[in-house]
Amino acid sequence: AQKITQTQPGMFVQEKEAVTLDCTYDTSDPSYGLFWYKQPSSGEMIFLIYQGSYDQQNATEGRYSLNFQKARKSANLVISASQLGDSAMYFCAMREPYSGGGADGLTFGKGTHLIIQP
Amino acid sequence: DSGVTQTPKHLITATGQRVTLRCSPRSGDLSVYWYQQSLDQGLQFLIQYYNGEERAKGNILERFSAQQFPDLHSELNLSSLELGDSALYFCASSAQPQGPTDTQYFGPGTRLTVL
Repeated sequence: AQKITQTQPGMFVQEKEAVTLDCTYDTSDPSYGLFWYKQPSSGEMIFLIYQGSYDQQNATEGRYSLNFQKARKSANLVISASQLGDSAMYFCAMREPYSGGGADGLTFGKGTHLIIQP
Repeated sequence: DSGVTQTPKHLITATGQRVTLRCSPRSGDLSVYWYQQSLDQGLQFLIQYYNGEERAKGNILERFSAQQFPDLHSELNLSSLELGDSALYFCASSAQPQGPTDTQYFGPGTRLTVL
């Protein structure tokens, strides 16, 4: 089973509208971290926002917020007032504890290609 | 700019060859991670080092190896290259080795093309 599922391969959104990018995850560990990264066409991976499994409040970073619904195992990214520069691939990722102690690497979803139209 | 540097930016080589990718973590970060991004496999975790020691292993092929040096820079060695190894290779770094809450910051990547 996929650990991270992003069901929207692509999205077109009008500039200045809010955008919600979906992400569901699968883990049996009580302790985990959820992350969103942006990858513009230039290729670099840019960290956007993080949510810990024990965090009581939804994470926010500027125009980015994470709608964390633990019981539903979803961690949707919300971008308010979208801009042309938001056009990029967006990846949801999870990090779980490692069986040997510590934590494993990030497990990524397949991504959502977001295009902001003027 | 994440503070993580990777060299070279691009690498073109032939099947059967060996290459070395280099990464310098952000100042103060002790953990280095390597990831591969390809069209068919997506983004995959390869391996993690913390302060010179291997900490976690992902989907790393036996033909690939890595190490982290005392100055904390890391190298990923890819040998007996195949066409399917063509991909974007990322290095990431974080401050701590443990705990799923540690944020990883990615370098710009090295694009490897195997002809």
